[in-house]
Amino acid sequence: GAVVSQHPSRVICKSGTSVKIECRSLDFQATTMFWYRQFPKKSLMLMATSNEGSKATYEQGVEKDKFLINHASLTLSTLTVTSAHPEDSSFYICSATQPDTQYFGPGTRLTVL
Amino acid sequence: GIQVEQSPPDLILQEGANSTLRCNFSDSVNNLQWFHQNPWGQLINLFYIPSGTKQNGRLSATTVATERYSLLYISSSQTTDSGVYFCAVARASNTGKLIFGQGTTLQVKP
Repeated sequence: GAVVSQHPSRVICKSGTSVKIECRSLDFQATTMFWYRQFPKKSLMLMATSNEGSKATYEQGVEKDKFLINHASLTLSTLTVTSAHPEDSSFYICSATQPDTQYFGPGTRLTVL
Repeated sequence: GIQVEQSPPDLILQEGANSTLRCNFSDSVNNLQWFHQNPWGQLINLFYIPSGTKQNGRLSATTVATERYSLLYISSSQTTDSGVYFCAVARASNTGKLIFGQGTTLQVKP
């Protein structure tokens, strides 16, 4: 099946710094990718839809200036958490769609101190 | 928006036992998927099943779209089945904009 990778898998940063998370589709092209956030022992919440070559679409309540998304190629989307604060600590997961199947990356665990 | 409720929230089984997980949704959907999240966080797609019945090995799923529920059956459970099972839905048939339920946490004991 299709593979989606994420990098880094884990990151610890100081409050106020910015963190970039990469999401790659390894064996297929994805014009659209999706970013989710998951709190401990909670469900996944869709944050935004990343569109290749155009602006991302953010879900209600998600700060687009805080969570910058860039989809520069058909295989790469990046999520940058700007000026991170402890409340941004979470598990961030990206996904891409193939017909009838959603493939998820392994996730990035962000801890902001 | 569409509400997704899963039950039970937690389930403990002895290896070899069978189980049924349920997903109720509040509105018509054209996209319903079941996922397994392993202890390391990786989500694996189990079924794309907006209606009907599918089987894959020890797992099978049934969705009754007219009654707005789906069931995931796990037979002869193994310890590797442990993890969280999520049901996710969307109105559109081919989209990644999924609404997830709260999940069922399954622990299979040896």
